[in-house]
Amino acid sequence: EAGVTQFPSHSVIEKGQTVTLRCDPISGHDNLYWYRRVMGKEIKFLLHFVKESKQDESGMPNNRFLAERTGGTYSTLKVQPAELEDSGVYFCASSRNTGSSYEQYFGPGTRLTVT
Amino acid sequence: AQSVSQHNHHVILSEAASLELGCNYSYGGTVNLFWYVQYPGQHLQLLLKYFSGDPLVKGIKGFEAEFIKSKFSFNLRKPSVQWSDTAEYFCAVNRRGSGYSTLTFGKGTMLLVSP
Repeated sequence: EAGVTQFPSHSVIEKGQTVTLRCDPISGHDNLYWYRRVMGKEIKFLLHFVKESKQDESGMPNNRFLAERTGGTYSTLKVQPAELEDSGVYFCASSRNTGSSYEQYFGPGTRLTVT
Repeated sequence: AQSVSQHNHHVILSEAASLELGCNYSYGGTVNLFWYVQYPGQHLQLLLKYFSGDPLVKGIKGFEAEFIKSKFSFNLRKPSVQWSDTAEYFCAVNRRGSGYSTLTFGKGTMLLVSP
């Protein structure tokens, strides 16, 4: 089966601009997660979708970040307006079922650089 | 809140040397424990996991980890590393239960194995 894919792989934007990241989970996976790794820091949870619903968005840093999952398939994460501290690698992961024992499969990440 | 501490940020070994990467977590309840690996240019992938039972778990590529509950530790080991083990290794935990799946990661350990 195809893995989790993310687009773009890299994005360089200026402060104040808008960027939209996309994640396509593994087909049939209802659970979709966004994580972020800022340079030198740990990978941190941003939010969790179950199908099209936001199960947990406690990790979203502020209201400049907007995540959607239309129809419970792919997801987008928009940053508007981008700030310097938003730079990092944004990972998407998916899992078949909700619950702590189900493996999350990660995408390759999108490296976002805000200048 | 959960937290994960990885003892070493960078480890350099020669081929055939033994490896042990330290991981300690902080959480008052019951957790699941994971080690993920990211090889250069590849996705994060699951190396091994512990949910319950035998505290010594074996994963892919000859890796194993031991859960020591009294020490809140889940150290990763491999008796003899290979050049192909060069990668970044992440320890992660989540809270056990049907409604909990969000992973909390450590900062990662970059392992460089010289041939």
